[in-house]
Amino acid sequence: GAGVSQSPSNKVTEKGKDVELRCDPISGHTALYWYRQSLGQGLEFLIYFQGNSAPDKSGLPSDRFSAERTGGSVSTLTIQRTQQEDSAVYLCASSLGQGRKAFFGQGTRLTVV
Amino acid sequence: AQTVTQSQPEMSVQEAETVTLSCTYDTSESDYYLFWYKQPPSRQMILVIRQEAYKQQNATENRFSVNFQKAAKSFSLKISDSQLGDAAMYFCAYRSDRRTGTASKLTFGTGTRLQVTL
Repeated sequence: GAGVSQSPSNKVTEKGKDVELRCDPISGHTALYWYRQSLGQGLEFLIYFQGNSAPDKSGLPSDRFSAERTGGSVSTLTIQRTQQEDSAVYLCASSLGQGRKAFFGQGTRLTVV
Repeated sequence: AQTVTQSQPEMSVQEAETVTLSCTYDTSESDYYLFWYKQPPSRQMILVIRQEAYKQQNATENRFSVNFQKAAKSFSLKISDSQLGDAAMYFCAYRSDRRTGTASKLTFGTGTRLQVTL
């Protein structure tokens, strides 16, 4: 595709429900990142995928958060048993490889009510 | 761990004037990259300018330039001839030059909201 695509653009969910956020990276990009942007804050790193290597999950805030990347392309970030503090914009970025320029999607705004 | 600090939550500039956004960072590394990203209401992060720490010359991209002071760990962004379209959140970011694992992740400041007035 022309750019990084994220869906849905906005998601409202009830506390305690599970949600899945999707990221379609730019074709051919082997590196994929998830970041979280809470209100009034900068972006916080969550997880990083590089090719077929094991993902770096060091930024995930709790075991309610998980992510996978199928076929080295599409990635899904799953949040189980959502809490109000999970409300944020979740941004995905991809790049041609480690250390290369990162291209960001438009994010998913998650609101937990 | 690296940290990035932006001490100006909001700034305002008149159209056609010049504004400088401040950023300081802390790191024990000698090789790294610094970035300024723009985030308009569309939420998409757009790379404005990038600086390699090993380069003494300040990066410039059209109306955007930086003042990189490595010893002081300071990295300010100057926007000249400000335009209405420059209004956005601006984030300063750091990335290690070590190309292993999450060394390639970006560490962001908390952002500066820039308003451009007529």
